[in-house]
Amino acid sequence: NAGVTQTPKFRILKIGQSMTLQCTQDMNHNYMYWYRQDPGMGLKLIYYSVGAGITDKGEVPNGYNVSRSTTEDFPLRLELAAPSQTSVYFCASSTTGTSSRYPFGPGTRLTVT
Amino acid sequence: GQNIDQPTEMTATEGAIVQINCTYQTSGFNGLFWYQQHAGEAPTFLSYNVLDGLEEKGRFSSFLSRSKGYSYLLLKELQMKDSASYLCAVRDGSFNTDKLIFGTGTRLQVFP
Repeated sequence: NAGVTQTPKFRILKIGQSMTLQCTQDMNHNYMYWYRQDPGMGLKLIYYSVGAGITDKGEVPNGYNVSRSTTEDFPLRLELAAPSQTSVYFCASSTTGTSSRYPFGPGTRLTVT
Repeated sequence: GQNIDQPTEMTATEGAIVQINCTYQTSGFNGLFWYQQHAGEAPTFLSYNVLDGLEEKGRFSSFLSRSKGYSYLLLKELQMKDSASYLCAVRDGSFNTDKLIFGTGTRLQVFP
């Protein structure tokens, strides 16, 4: 199992550009999450999904969009990038039950200038 | 809503014991996680408590008191490689969801 994978690892965007951060998991987890982590801070939940076709907002959803067409994939879309979106983005997944450990992907480091 | 508090920074000496506290106020509590995060890396799972009491796993132990909204992570026989951030996260199972809400993390520095 590759677990949770994310692409790209690094990206520099100009203000106003758009991009999609990719996240894939091969564990057949029904739940998937996007977090952002600003320097020296904890993780803030952007969006999450409880299954294919179902998504919902987290703590900081403004400026982002998501979709979940398959169990495996949960892309995060940034429209009109702003400097405030400079951050490290982590994707995670989980399954119901107490055994879930919420594995995280390696992260995408995004800079908007 | 959720509110999770933990100290911002702690320091300790190699070989010592350190306790990192976490207090929380949340609806739909369904367990508490501790993660370790080295600089520039993703968080990695350390422990999960859903019932009150102490869970021991090698040099690391985690404690939970649901009535007090309190948890701690205990690290024994500290090693230099334990220098990292330690993230407390509450599992929120309200409204048929299942999501982790994180505190700001505690940065631990271990000195020789």
